[in-house]
Amino acid sequence: DTEVTQTPKHLVMGMTNKKSLKCEQHMGHRAMYWYKQKAKKPPELMFVYSYEKLSINESVPSRFSPECPNSSLLNLHLHALQPEDSALYLCASSQVRKNTEAFFGQGTRLTVV
Amino acid sequence: TQLLEQSPQFLSIQEGENLTVYCNSSSVFSSLQWYRQEPGEGPVLLVTVVTGGEVKKLKRLTFQFGDARKDSSLHITAAQPGDTGLYLCAGAKGGATNKLIFGTGTLLAVQP
Repeated sequence: DTEVTQTPKHLVMGMTNKKSLKCEQHMGHRAMYWYKQKAKKPPELMFVYSYEKLSINESVPSRFSPECPNSSLLNLHLHALQPEDSALYLCASSQVRKNTEAFFGQGTRLTVV
Repeated sequence: TQLLEQSPQFLSIQEGENLTVYCNSSSVFSSLQWYRQEPGEGPVLLVTVVTGGEVKKLKRLTFQFGDARKDSSLHITAAQPGDTGLYLCAGAKGGATNKLIFGTGTLLAVQP
């Protein structure tokens, strides 16, 4: 099983809403990632969790709040987003070792209105 | 900033043609991965290359890692419409954080 599952697949939210994106994997991977991707652009790293601890925050605004409740789950809590935050949000996971391969979920298409 | 530049940025070809996509950097990477992404989907891993000079083949796709581990290429033989997508290279610096640096992307369209 090399599957990373993201829910929901699509999300429309207002600028005053609070919502959460969810990601789950059962490959035993102890590194999990959030990426943001705009149309026809490469993914941009937002956060990295290693052994359930936040190891990288790429200067992401505080309106994005990640959470890793256990080794299989990764959440991204959203609050007071702006229209320019509309994008495809991708979750990925990998083993914590050199030259490991990252496996991506299908993404959540987020639209902020 | 460590950049991975891909070329060409866009490529539209006819079915049956051959093509090469390049991924170049001034930085050394411990490994390099190639992904293909279709619209609205997540990137799907195609291959990982680790050793300088390494060549890997996946059916009609041939991947090469440069001797100095700063660049890579993807060659597709006899392209098919199913090869259409965004091709992304991603370099890894190694270490516990496993941070991937993505290339600028190559959008390939194969016309039937």
